[in-house]
Amino acid sequence: GENVEQHPSTLSVQEGDSAVIKCTYSDSASNYFPWYKQELGKGPQLIIDIRSNVGEKKDQRIAVTLNKTAKHFSLHITETQPEDSAVYFCAASLINGNQFYFGTGTSLTVIP
Amino acid sequence: GAGVSQTPSNKVTEKGKYVELRCDPISGHTALYWYRQSLGQGPEFLIYFQGTGAADDSGLPNDRFFAVRPEGSVSTLKIQRTERGDSAVYLCASSLGPPRTGIKQETQYFGPGTRLLVL
Repeated sequence: GENVEQHPSTLSVQEGDSAVIKCTYSDSASNYFPWYKQELGKGPQLIIDIRSNVGEKKDQRIAVTLNKTAKHFSLHITETQPEDSAVYFCAASLINGNQFYFGTGTSLTVIP
Repeated sequence: GAGVSQTPSNKVTEKGKYVELRCDPISGHTALYWYRQSLGQGPEFLIYFQGTGAADDSGLPNDRFFAVRPEGSVSTLKIQRTERGDSAVYLCASSLGPPRTGIKQETQYFGPGTRLLVL
């Protein structure tokens, strides 16, 4: 089955700086990669996703890049704000698949 | 509108007991998923319902775990003879429709989870 690894497990940045979280996956058949943000006591919330026919996708301060050959994808948050502090999860699945395989999460702290 | 709701928010039980966890999906969502999230880990898939039927239950860890969705809306996850290792947050998610070949993956909307502690 699919194995998703995520790094780093914790990340602290100064407000206004950029944050980058990286994930790798093992199954070359995976072609859909969502990113979730989970705040304390809440369920994960989708923030951005990318399909394998696209190399990069951007939504305001958030961008995701995908390298299919290397089987890795990254989340980039620019101009970080304290409200960006949360745990972020990457995931991989087949675009018509039932199962999402999640990474182990990155706890992001944005220091004011 | 209302999101996915789960009850109870917290459940403490003793080893060997039976528990039921409830999920109310977003109205009109036909697909429903259960995940388990252990401390410091990402969610782990348990089971997927499309309508009333369990379309994929390959993630259920053993036969002590069972889930139903009799009317295609509310779902109940049932755990028999609970063990300490079952302690985790159980997350429910719903999406508008099933995964479809070649079409944008349906967004899964997660509930806040039920925190289960087995003593």
